[in-house]
Amino acid sequence: DTAVSQTPKYLVTQMGNDKSIKCEQNLGHDTMYWYKQDSKKFLKIMFSYNNKELIINETVPNRFSPKSPDKAHLNLHINSLELGDSAVYFCASSRSLGIPYNEQFFGPGTRLTVL
Amino acid sequence: KNEVEQSPQNLTAQEGEFITINCSYSVGISALHWLQQHPGGGIVSLFMLSSGKKKHGRLIATINIQEKHSSLHITASHPRDSAVYICAVIITGTASKLTFGTGTRLQVTL
Repeated sequence: DTAVSQTPKYLVTQMGNDKSIKCEQNLGHDTMYWYKQDSKKFLKIMFSYNNKELIINETVPNRFSPKSPDKAHLNLHINSLELGDSAVYFCASSRSLGIPYNEQFFGPGTRLTVL
Repeated sequence: KNEVEQSPQNLTAQEGEFITINCSYSVGISALHWLQQHPGGGIVSLFMLSSGKKKHGRLIATINIQEKHSSLHITASHPRDSAVYICAVIITGTASKLTFGTGTRLQVTL
């Protein structure tokens, strides 16, 4: 059983389109995260939710909107896609906030290519 | 300058060698993570530590809070250890937000 799953694995789309990436965890964790890995393989936090409440919102364009319908799901919706949005997006979860509960488990990633 | 620096950026070793990857950070932290990113792209958490030393199989992670430095050691390296190893810290007061180093690409050859 996959602990943290993401769909789709690959997403190729045109500039200007709107797309969503879904994330689900079956670990019973309270906290979920979205990370972006750029073309140089550098990872950066985008958002974090704890018990469906937004707790981390980095300097991310308003075109990116996370949604957490329940603790097991954290989806990422992107409006008006731009070339610079091309990256690999990773979802992760942790049992909770704070030590020692914040070991993070990562999904397989979604490679987004904007043409 | 990145708050988390890793060295070396690239490392090639022969099977069986002892490997050390270093991580230095310039901020106060509550915890440090070592992650492994496989060639296929998946990311696995290896260690989370806030003091001392942890060991798991052939992997050992140490941290010196006063010196703001951590090391990841791999004993008896094997080609399957080939991956990118990423150091990430939780800066004090930032609610589990990971700040990442740029990674160390390790290639272990036969």
